[in-house]
Parts: sequence; C-alpha cells; structure tokens
Amino acid sequence: GESVGLHLPTLSVQEGDNSIINCAYSNSASDYFIWYKQESGKGPQFIIDIRSNMDKRQGQRVTVLLNKTVKHLSLQIAATQPGDSAVYFCAENKSGQAGTALIFGKGTTLSVSS
Amino acid sequence: EPEVTQTPSHQVTQMGQEVILRCVPISNHLYFYWYRQILGQKVEFLVSFYNNEISEKSEIFDDQFSVERPDGSNFTLKIRSTKLEDSAMYFCASSEDRQPQHFGDGTRLSIL
Repeated sequence: GESVGLHLPTLSVQEGDNSIINCAYSNSASDYFIWYKQESGKGPQFIIDIRSNMDKRQGQRVTVLLNKTVKHLSLQIAATQPGDSAVYFCAENKSGQAGTALIFGKGTTLSVSS
Repeated sequence: EPEVTQTPSHQVTQMGQEVILRCVPISNHLYFYWYRQILGQKVEFLVSFYNNEISEKSEIFDDQFSVERPDGSNFTLKIRSTKLEDSAMYFCASSEDRQPQHFGDGTRLSIL
C-alpha cells in the first residue's frame, strides 16, 4: 500500500551538529509535504512544508529538500540544540488542498546531547 | 500565537459508553480535522470537516464516530459506543484555505 516512511527510527547527535532526518514516500502523485515536531505529551508542531513544484525550502535553522525522482524528503536542522530533541514526522498530502488528509510516516526520534 | 485547544486533556471512559472530545480551532480557520495516535504508533487521519460537512474520512471513521460544529467556536468528535481499541491520543487540527494544518495537544482517551 501507499505510505510515507522514515529511514531511521532514532538519531542521536551532539549539540551544535547538523542533523539530517530522512523520509521516503511511495505515492508519486503527492503534491505537498510537511514536517512536524512532536515533543512528549504535545501535539505535532508544524516546522516547514514544501510543494512538489519546489526542491528546496529554507526556514529558520531548518531546510527541507525534496527529490521527486527518488521520492525522498529530508529535513536538515542546523546547529542542533537540546530543545530540538523530539519525534519528527514527515507527512504527505495528495493535492495540497485544504480539507484533505495528511498521511504521516512513523517518525524519527532525535536525541541531542550536550 | 493562536493555537488549537482541546478538552479534556485526559478522558477515562467505560467500554460501551459514549464520549465527546472537544476542540476549539484557531479562530479564522475554516477547515477542521481529527486524527488519532495509538501509543507508539504514527498519527492517523480520521476525518476532515468544512462548511458543516465532512470533506473526507478514513476507513477508521465508521458509524460509531461523528463530528459536529455545534456553534461558532467548537468542533467535537463523538464516539457512540467506545471499544477498548479506541484508546489513543486524539488530535484536533485546523487550517486556513491552504495547508499547513495546526494541531492541538490532544486528548488522551482511555477505555476501561
């Protein structure tokens, strides 16, 4: 079946390092992709999104890269901080239209040690 | 910053009982959603709602589930006869005309 998944369930980095979290998606028709951060006891928090007509988008300390050829999505976090420790989910949406479902991957737990 | 709020934070219910989970979406958002997350698993879509109608629903959202916007600020999810497997975190989300969806901190539903 179609799904969005992540390559690694856990990632451990040192404070100040750059982190890269990867995600592979299987639905080539997906038009919109989004990264969420989920801290313990909290809901998913929006980080950054990207549409399929782009291959890169930058935010504050974060960059999302989209490679449609190999159906791969990544989240890069620069100068990772202890506060970045959380579970990171990628999600896809077929149309990018409001009112439609986000399909989530399984999540990568990022642990940042100081 | 505006946020989605959900109540209660934790709901404990006997199997077979009805439960209503409540959400107050971000005030200028028009699209509303419910998702659930079983412990340790990924977030799963249940239903989306716009203009007082369901826009999309998943196969999880069967006849035991219903949604309602009873007034101008609240959005509710009702489970008519709860089952043990309904135990999960339930997240409400809302969005403007375009994505992204913004999530609340969830209601933990425990079915005994």
